[in-house]
Amino acid sequence: NAGVTQTPKFQVLKTGQSMTLQCAQDMNHNSMYWYRQDPGMGLRLIYYSASEGTTDKGEVPNGYNVSRLNKREFSLRLESAAPSQTSVYFCASSVETYGYTFGSGTRLTVV
Amino acid sequence: SQKIEQNSEALNIQEGKTATLTCNYTNYSPAYLQWYRQDPGRGPVFLLLIRENEKEKRKERLKVTFDTTLKQSLFHITASQPADSATYLCALDAGGTSYGKLTFGQGTILTVHP
Repeated sequence: NAGVTQTPKFQVLKTGQSMTLQCAQDMNHNSMYWYRQDPGMGLRLIYYSASEGTTDKGEVPNGYNVSRLNKREFSLRLESAAPSQTSVYFCASSVETYGYTFGSGTRLTVV
Repeated sequence: SQKIEQNSEALNIQEGKTATLTCNYTNYSPAYLQWYRQDPGRGPVFLLLIRENEKEKRKERLKVTFDTTLKQSLFHITASQPADSATYLCALDAGGTSYGKLTFGQGTILTVHP
């Protein structure tokens, strides 16, 4: 029972490079989310997907794009990485009002 | 503006005592409020959910209260243990068009000393 799986766990990018963070859940949840966590800022919602085929912006969407590939997978893409995107990224999934299940995070450094 | 505040950045208590963490919010009318635990280097783990029409919820040594008049939730850990040491996050769902999307507080770091 894997829950929410995120890859990679660690990544170092140079400014301007692109990358995709992968997230998959095996709990048949409809809703999936991408958050970033920064010291002193807490968890902030980047994008979310209420169901397969739908996505919407959260609090801090600039510089990111997402794809809900199917019910299981929700990817986050950085097209041109910037140092301000250095953060820990968490993917989560949920069934409506029940608690979120989070992945273990991706620690991204942009130099 | 909307704000969630967890009043204590850090809380230190002795083993066996009750830890009480506070979460206050402004300019929200949440449908429900949740509490999570986060250990260093890990993702948050869901603990409890309480709805706007519920006053109190319990789970083993955990108790959550929700006062929509005071706009406050209290999170209690009774008979605390060193293993309870972690960061605790409150999160709320604003309801309406924000239904299902959680906004998180910055967390309280709890340290339980033996």
